[in-house]
Amino acid sequence: DTAVSQTPKYLVTQMGNDKSIKCEQNLGHDTMYWYKQDSKKFLKIMFSYNNKELIINETVPNRFSPKSPDKAHLNLHINSLELGDSAVYFCASSQRGGGPDETFGSGTRLTVV
Amino acid sequence: LAKTTQPISMDSYEGQEVNITCSHNNIATNDYITWYQQFPSQGPRFIIQGYKTKVTNEVASLFIPADRKSSTLSLPRVSLSDTAVYYCLVGGFTGGGNKLTFGTGTQLKVEL
Repeated sequence: DTAVSQTPKYLVTQMGNDKSIKCEQNLGHDTMYWYKQDSKKFLKIMFSYNNKELIINETVPNRFSPKSPDKAHLNLHINSLELGDSAVYFCASSQRGGGPDETFGSGTRLTVV
Repeated sequence: LAKTTQPISMDSYEGQEVNITCSHNNIATNDYITWYQQFPSQGPRFIIQGYKTKVTNEVASLFIPADRKSSTLSLPRVSLSDTAVYYCLVGGFTGGGNKLTFGTGTQLKVEL
């Protein structure tokens, strides 16, 4: 029973398209995150979200938007995809930000062509 | 923001102890030091976290000197399955707002 699950695992799409990546956690955590890992393996936080606030990394383009229908889900919507958006996107959750209980999903490899 | 510097890669043999050092010269007073492990095609996995001195769990030990400007992750008696990328991260406990870029990490390769 996967604790943090993301779908799809692979996503190939054309420039200019709009796509979404879904994330669900069954750990009962209050906070969820989206990270981007580029080709150089830099793993950078994009968003963190709990039921009280959304914290956005200021370097993230506004084409990226997180949507949380409920506490267990944090989906990532990307509009007008660009070649530079190609990366692996990881969802994670924790009860306390940065704590030992932070659990990552297995990632979604996005390729924009 | 506290930036971390780690060796890009390290090689070891099964059964040896591996020590990976991370520099974080401008660590803030309320920052903790956290290490993650990442296997190919998987998300990072928490290994250990500490604030000062020494922390030990069933997987690793973390040594932090008094000035906290560096830390050393110690993996006792590594095995082939410990081959992975190890990331050092400094930050505080909030809603994640001050979570930092992980950096390139250290690729540890364990051989027979």
